[in-house]
Amino acid sequence: DSGVTQTPKHLITATGQRVTLRCSPRSGDLSVYWYQQSLDQGLQFLIQYYNGEERAKGNILERFSAQQFPDLHSELNLSSLELGDSALYFCASSPGGVEEKLFFGSGTQLSVL
Amino acid sequence: GENVEQHPSTLSVQEGDSAVIKCTYSDSASNYFPWYKQELGKRPQLIIDIRSNVGEKKDQRIAVTLNKTAKHFSLHITETQPEDSAVYFCAASKGGSYIPTFGRGTSLIVHP
Repeated sequence: DSGVTQTPKHLITATGQRVTLRCSPRSGDLSVYWYQQSLDQGLQFLIQYYNGEERAKGNILERFSAQQFPDLHSELNLSSLELGDSALYFCASSPGGVEEKLFFGSGTQLSVL
Repeated sequence: GENVEQHPSTLSVQEGDSAVIKCTYSDSASNYFPWYKQELGKRPQLIIDIRSNVGEKKDQRIAVTLNKTAKHFSLHITETQPEDSAVYFCAASKGGSYIPTFGRGTSLIVHP
């Protein structure tokens, strides 16, 4: 167990809908990352938050947004969903600072039908 | 930005053989190189890492080597076992930027 909690584990929805994925980082970790992993694909970096502030953006679509709350949990919002958004979404946390080791949650499997 | 190339994409070995996965990076300022193992349906987990001031690091059956001049690092697994079967990802990152850039992954299959 990495200490990173993601909910829900599975999500099935329809095209055009909006969903929210939730992540609670390890105790004490200030940094939260979101990654998308499609079938047979690598880990695509979406966005990073550090202590409540957006720190870096990767290949995140405009239909997607995220935030990190004062208690350091993070939410990834996906809207106007398309079939191609079906993927495994991972959250990872790290202590921040110079510590770059990532601890991944178990992921949310999103299926858009 | 940083670009990480990983080879091979698939590696099939017999139990007991050694396996080597290679990665190259483009940004000479990168100074931290972790490796993650992702078993089928599971989360990626850090298995070993190396910093740029070290040329080699070993942990039981796994080792990582780094050649800063060539901008190349490798994962070595000796005496492979079926439970080593997984997808392995290399990554590179640099001080001041905490976003690791991942390789595309290597699917290692160990046949009993």
